[in-house]
Amino acid sequence: GESVGLHLPTLSVQEGDNSIINCAYSNSASDYFIWYKQESGKGPQFIIDIRSNMDKRQGQRVTVLLNKTVKHLSLQIAATQPGDSAVYFCAENMGTSYDKVIFGPGTSLSVIP
Amino acid sequence: GAGVSQSPSNKVTEKGKDVELRCDPISGHTALYWYRQSLGQGLEFLIYFQGNSAPDKSGLPSDRFSAERTGGSVSTLTIQRTQQEDSAVYLCASSRDGNPQETQYFGPGTRLLVL
Repeated sequence: GESVGLHLPTLSVQEGDNSIINCAYSNSASDYFIWYKQESGKGPQFIIDIRSNMDKRQGQRVTVLLNKTVKHLSLQIAATQPGDSAVYFCAENMGTSYDKVIFGPGTSLSVIP
Repeated sequence: GAGVSQSPSNKVTEKGKDVELRCDPISGHTALYWYRQSLGQGLEFLIYFQGNSAPDKSGLPSDRFSAERTGGSVSTLTIQRTQQEDSAVYLCASSRDGNPQETQYFGPGTRLLVL
């Protein structure tokens, strides 16, 4: 069936380096994508989103890239900080009338001080 | 309130018992969602409410699971005759409306352990 998946289940980076978290999606009809950050013991927190009519969107220290040709989504975090350590989920929204979001399994990011 | 709240934060129960989980969405949010998150896994969609009605119940794992929402606000997720495989974190989220472009805001979750 349709699914959203992540290429790397775990990622360790040095503090100050840039992080790249990748995600593959399989539903070509999806038109909205979201990245969430989940810290230990907390619920997911919205980071950044992107619509299918865009290929890049920037936020504060984060950039999301969308490649619809290969159905690939990535989250780039600049100058990674210890506070960035968390599980990152990508999600696709198929834009149905009842707004069902499909989440990937998540990537655990560990920042090494 | 300032955000989505859930109660209890933790629940330990014995196999076969019923449990009720509560979600208080952000005031004014008409859309409410329940998800289940097993250890080290992604989020599994359970049910969605628009107002008090649930147009999509397809995610509920079995007929032991039910949910309701009253007054367009508080929602409860009930699990009857709990099984060990029901152990997970149950997350609630709300959004301003059911528009697919609206951000979902999550609560901290209820950690359920069935012994």
